[in-house]
Amino acid sequence: EVQLVQSGAEVKKPGESLRISCKASGYSFTSRWINWVRQMPGKGLEWMGRIDPSDSYSNYSPSFQGHVTISADKSITTAYLHWSSLKASDTAMYYCASQLINRGPLDIWGQGTMVTVSS
Amino acid sequence: SYELTQPPSVSVSPGQTATITCSGDKLRDEFASWFQQKPGQPPILVIYQDTKRPSGIPERFSGSNSGNTATLTISGTQTMDEADYYCQVWDSSTAVFGGGTKLTVL
Repeated sequence: EVQLVQSGAEVKKPGESLRISCKASGYSFTSRWINWVRQMPGKGLEWMGRIDPSDSYSNYSPSFQGHVTISADKSITTAYLHWSSLKASDTAMYYCASQLINRGPLDIWGQGTMVTVSS
Repeated sequence: SYELTQPPSVSVSPGQTATITCSGDKLRDEFASWFQQKPGQPPILVIYQDTKRPSGIPERFSGSNSGNTATLTISGTQTMDEADYYCQVWDSSTAVFGGGTKLTVL
């Protein structure tokens, strides 16, 4: 079964760093892009960026460029979303989603990771 | 930045046809995908490449794309279809989501 399993909920303080993960299984990890999508409480879906695990090429939405970093570790079939300095406005649910081809549909989604940033 | 416009809400009676639109200039040249999201759950893909249904998606879900408007149609809407629906396209190498439409079945 093709699936993405995300790490658990996090509660952090402003200014702290954080890395959340998305572990892929059931397919060749390097054959699918991994995307990250934010959903703030009560709001819609926002695409943040993505990575091609085969060569670690990544691209970002201008809205998130410079604030987050997407990475991947092929050896453990896991993608990551990293913040070096969290803000309260980063409080949201974060989903990873995979696509088979460039510009293709996001057909497999993780269960989501809730990140709460509060002092 | 590029935007896709959806109506905030659509209401339909059980058994009737629900129509949700998504408008944007990119739709003239790009395929649209549609996602269904129920409360507390991740989104699921219900339509891709404008008209295709992934395996496991009921036949009552269909899609079309004409001009600058993509449309998700749910025929014989069931109460279980009550959810938020999002359209999405690719703008070069960037994914763009519509603002979402809350479908109420009552």
